[in-house]
Amino acid sequence: EPEVTQTPSHQVTQMGQEVILRCVPISNHLYFYWYRQILGQKVEFLVSFYNNEISEKSEIFDDQFSVERPDGSNFTLKIRSTKLEDSAMYFCASSDWGPGDPQETQYFGPGTRLLVL
Amino acid sequence: ELKVEQNPLFLSMQEGKNYTIYCNYSTTSDRLYWYRQDPGKSLESLFVLLSNGAVKQEGRLMASLDTKARLSTLHITAAVHDLSATYFCAGRENTDKLIFGTGTRLQVFP
Repeated sequence: EPEVTQTPSHQVTQMGQEVILRCVPISNHLYFYWYRQILGQKVEFLVSFYNNEISEKSEIFDDQFSVERPDGSNFTLKIRSTKLEDSAMYFCASSDWGPGDPQETQYFGPGTRLLVL
Repeated sequence: ELKVEQNPLFLSMQEGKNYTIYCNYSTTSDRLYWYRQDPGKSLESLFVLLSNGAVKQEGRLMASLDTKARLSTLHITAAVHDLSATYFCAGRENTDKLIFGTGTRLQVFP
């Protein structure tokens, strides 16, 4: 069964460093999302991406964050200058139907655990 | 903005027993999702509920939606250890983003 994959599974970085989290969505999906989950807390939306542009972003997704779909298969989240509070599990999700469509379900990847020291 | 609340936050139950997890939401949500998360793992989609009165069942889990009461329930029948996980409900308020509840950590013991 097709699934969303993410690399790396774990990343440790120093505060102020740039990190790139990578995702390969399910191949025929067109809608892509990033969420994060700080340890023990709820899952929070970061950004949605469709048609090669950001569709919606949360207040968490400030100028330090960016997303890109550099080719037909990868979807990346970049954090330019990491802060301690960026430590979290980052989930990528994809969907073959858009928001509002009755068939829409977001399928989540296994996550990247980011630790900022 | 949509707010989603779940209760209980923690649930420890004996195998074979029944229980219900409640998910309340604050404003109109065009649908309601239930996800399961095992420790350190991703979120697995369980149910999508689209309309008032919707009921879906898979194995020992049954989810329902009452849009008038802004309430969804996840009912567990005759719990087994394999159901131990954290269960999240999530709604959406005519935007792209899913708004997740706080999660209910379920532990089933013999």
